[in-house]
Amino acid sequence: DTGVSQDPRHKITKRGQNVTFRCDPISEHNRLYWYRQTLGQGPEFLTYFQNEAQLEKSRLLSDRFSAERPKGSFSTLEIQRTEQGDSAMYLCASSLLDYYGYTFGSGTRLTVV
Amino acid sequence: GESVGLHLPTLSVQEGDNSIINCAYSNSASDYFIWYKQESGKGPQFIIDIRSNMDKRQGQRVTVLLNKTVKHLSLQIAATQPGDSAVYFCAENGAGNMLTFGGGTRLMVKP
Repeated sequence: DTGVSQDPRHKITKRGQNVTFRCDPISEHNRLYWYRQTLGQGPEFLTYFQNEAQLEKSRLLSDRFSAERPKGSFSTLEIQRTEQGDSAMYLCASSLLDYYGYTFGSGTRLTVV
Repeated sequence: GESVGLHLPTLSVQEGDNSIINCAYSNSASDYFIWYKQESGKGPQFIIDIRSNMDKRQGQRVTVLLNKTVKHLSLQIAATQPGDSAVYFCAENGAGNMLTFGGGTRLMVKP
């Protein structure tokens, strides 16, 4: 296992379309996190899972955002009816316990045109 | 490649000099802090961490200092190299197992 993997690396979509991103965490990590990063800013927490349970989702930016981790392994983040303000880097991270040893993926860069 | 941050504070140092990057954190209840390095087009990379029961921790070429009285963190990089050029973020733990990131600092190393 070489780390946290995210797919795709880049996504360009038209406003109003739905997009889905995938994250494969480090295999033994039971915690998985999603963050968003806009230019010039640090990452901003969105949501996290422990195994398949989504334990925190109040920070998701709107009801257009949703995340799943159906089998406690990979996760998907979906944005429905994309808007130009959704353009950002979406980062996934995983950890074994709590926030110690957080490892980030390289992110998915979303551009909404 | 793309820029991680276009309007970040910038620290410019000569190769071989020491660098000091500062960060103010917000939550006096935070008990764990991390420094991350982020290169253009990549995710944040862990550098060093420190728990609130310590005021200093050293790694390879890096030292983190924690001053809880004034809620201040610093990252010291010894003998800065061109490969150290990146954006550096501090982060603190928060509720719900999230990390709260501070504003980044761009480090530029001049050869």
